[in-house]
Amino acid sequence: DAGVIQSPRHEVTEMGQEVTLRCKLISGHNSLFWYRQTMMRGLELLIYFNNNVPIDDSGMPEDRFSAKMPNASFSTLKIQPSEPRDSAVYFCASSLSIGSDQPQHFGDGTRLSIL
Amino acid sequence: KQEVTQIPAALSVPEGENLVLNCSFTDSAIYNLQWFRQDPGKGLTSLLLIQSSQREQTSGRLNASLDKSSGRSTLYIAASQPGDSATYLCAVEGYKLIFGSGTRLLVRP
Repeated sequence: DAGVIQSPRHEVTEMGQEVTLRCKLISGHNSLFWYRQTMMRGLELLIYFNNNVPIDDSGMPEDRFSAKMPNASFSTLKIQPSEPRDSAVYFCASSLSIGSDQPQHFGDGTRLSIL
Repeated sequence: KQEVTQIPAALSVPEGENLVLNCSFTDSAIYNLQWFRQDPGKGLTSLLLIQSSQREQTSGRLNASLDKSSGRSTLYIAASQPGDSATYLCAVEGYKLIFGSGTRLLVRP
């Protein structure tokens, strides 16, 4: 099994640019989670989906952030326009289901730097 | 609002020592508690998951316990090795996964 795959691994871009982060779930997993990790705030849940439907987006910081699941195996997180305070490591995770005995499997993350 | 606290924030021990990492949470209405390991520049790797009805889980040299009523969990690492050096995070799952800030472990050869 390939695990959760995120791309790109690193992204450096200028303030105001659109950023798109990508995530491929583990085959057969129904739940998808986007997290952001910073030194100041630790690991925070941004949004999660179950069966392609967004369940809770209360962690999305602003309207500049949006996430989609165009199909059962793929998700994108977009930031438009980006700002320096968005710099962080963004993780995607998937699991078989929410609230069960199934752990979440994490990708290696995208390290985002906004100049 | 669920809050998860991990103590200590950092720990340095000589190789071979047994050690305990602590995690506490404020709301006992959880589905499960999970321990993760994070290596520098990497994602999180799930180590152990304890369902709310369970008291402990074991995997190799790792043992995790859960006391829901007191809002506490411990991760016990036996005979620590330099390869165990990493950040260990605990997380509780209610309707979503809430993480502690982690314990940064260094095992010295």
